Amino acid sequence: GAVVSQHPSWVICKSGTSVKIECRSLDFQATTMFWYRQFPKQSLMLMATSNEGSKATYEQGVEKDKFLINHASLTLSTLTVTSAHPEDSSFYICSARGETSTDTQYFGPGTRLTVL
Amino acid sequence: GQSLEQPSEVTAVEGAIVQINCTYQTSGFYGLSWYQQHDGGAPTFLSYNALDGLEETGRFSSFLSRSDSYGYLLLQELQMKDSASYFCAPNAGKSTFGDGTTLTVKP
Repeated sequence: GAVVSQHPSWVICKSGTSVKIECRSLDFQATTMFWYRQFPKQSLMLMATSNEGSKATYEQGVEKDKFLINHASLTLSTLTVTSAHPEDSSFYICSARGETSTDTQYFGPGTRLTVL
Repeated sequence: GQSLEQPSEVTAVEGAIVQINCTYQTSGFYGLSWYQQHDGGAPTFLSYNALDGLEETGRFSSFLSRSDSYGYLLLQELQMKDSASYFCAPNAGKSTFGDGTTLTVKP
């Protein structure tokens, strides 16, 4: 299957700092990328959908000014958690999908964020 | 909107066969994907049905009936390593996941 990478795989930061997570599709062009967060023993919660070259569509209850998403190219999307707080500690996972909605989405390995 | 229903938990023994059902309601449906997620890891793609019928990939098979908005994942010859969460996900404009099914395989 297709390969999606995420960087970093884990990060620990102090409260109030910003953290950037990168998601890359390595062997295909990802028109659409999705960002999820997952708390222990819970399902994946869709945060936002980003399409290359346009603004991300955020799910209800997700603050767009806190979780900045940029999808500048067909192979790269970034999620920046601004002014992180301990409650933002979570497992953040991106997925990438090809040109059409018929394409399967492939997941990155996830980024574990811990805010102290 | 989109809704998904799967059993929350399933338990089986090694070597057995397990079927995980999924019913869905979504707009703009193109097909149904299945993912496996082990504790602490990210989901990995298992199978995709674009058309009605059965798709077989080794020990795993997946079935889709568009008219019934229903699909299932069939796991055969269960192994301990199959203990994980399993998610069905409609391929649609929006990609949300349900709560998934936690499969526990016992010796």
